[in-house]
Amino acid sequence: QTVLTQPPSASGTPGQRVTISCSGTNSNVGTTTVNWYQQLPGTAPRVVIYGINQRPSGVPDRFSASKSGTSASLAISGLQSEDEGDYYCAAWDNNLNGVVFGGGTRLTVL
Amino acid sequence: QVHLVQSGADVKEPGASVIVSCKASGYTFTSYFIHWVRQAPGQGLQWVAWLNPKSGVTKSAQDFQGRVNLTRDTATDTAYLQLARLTSDDTAIYYCARGWGLVARIDPWGQGTLVTVSS
Repeated sequence: QTVLTQPPSASGTPGQRVTISCSGTNSNVGTTTVNWYQQLPGTAPRVVIYGINQRPSGVPDRFSASKSGTSASLAISGLQSEDEGDYYCAAWDNNLNGVVFGGGTRLTVL
Repeated sequence: QVHLVQSGADVKEPGASVIVSCKASGYTFTSYFIHWVRQAPGQGLQWVAWLNPKSGVTKSAQDFQGRVNLTRDTATDTAYLQLARLTSDDTAIYYCARGWGLVARIDPWGQGTLVTVSS
C-alpha cells in the first residue's frame, strides 16, 4: 500500500520548470529526509535527490528538492526529453522502522 | 565501482517459495544495509524488507511478515530474499539495493529479478 501521496502525472515542455509534490505524516516526511528516485522506462530506479537536497554525482543541478512540514517537492528546471519517466518520493518511517514510498508520478515532456 | 548483481528470472507455482540472490561488490558488504523493493507489472515501488548484513538483523513490511526471510553470506557478500506461500499477487520485479542506514537513501539498485507466479 502507498503511504506517501504523489500526483499520478505531471507534464511540461522542454525548458520549463516542473514540480512534483509528496505528502506524508509526522512519522515519515515530517521527521526524516525525503529521497527522490527516477525510473526511466525499462530500468531500475536511481536516486536523484537524497538527504537534504543532495545530488549524487552524475545528476544535473537542474534537479532540486525542498520540504516543509509533512510535504516535500521535487523541482526539475530546464526540462529535457531525457527527464521523461516515473518519479518516486521515499522516506524512512519511524513507526514502521522501514521505508515508505509514494505511488509515483509519471512525468511527460511534451 | 559499486554493483549489485541479482539472480535470474524465475517462475513458480502458487503456494511455492522463491529465493532471490543479490551479490554485492565494490564496497564493504557489512557496512551498509540491503533493502528489497518490489514492483508489480505496471505498478509503483513497494518496500519489502531490510537486512543489516553485519548483525543479521532484519525488518519487513507488515504485508510480508511471516512470509519473508532475509539471510546473508558474508563470505561471498551475497544477500538472499526468500518469499514463501506465493500467490499471483507476488508476480513482480524484485530489486535489491544498498541502504545507507536508517534512512531512505537506497542506491545503487540491482538490475531486478522477475518472479512470475503461475500455475
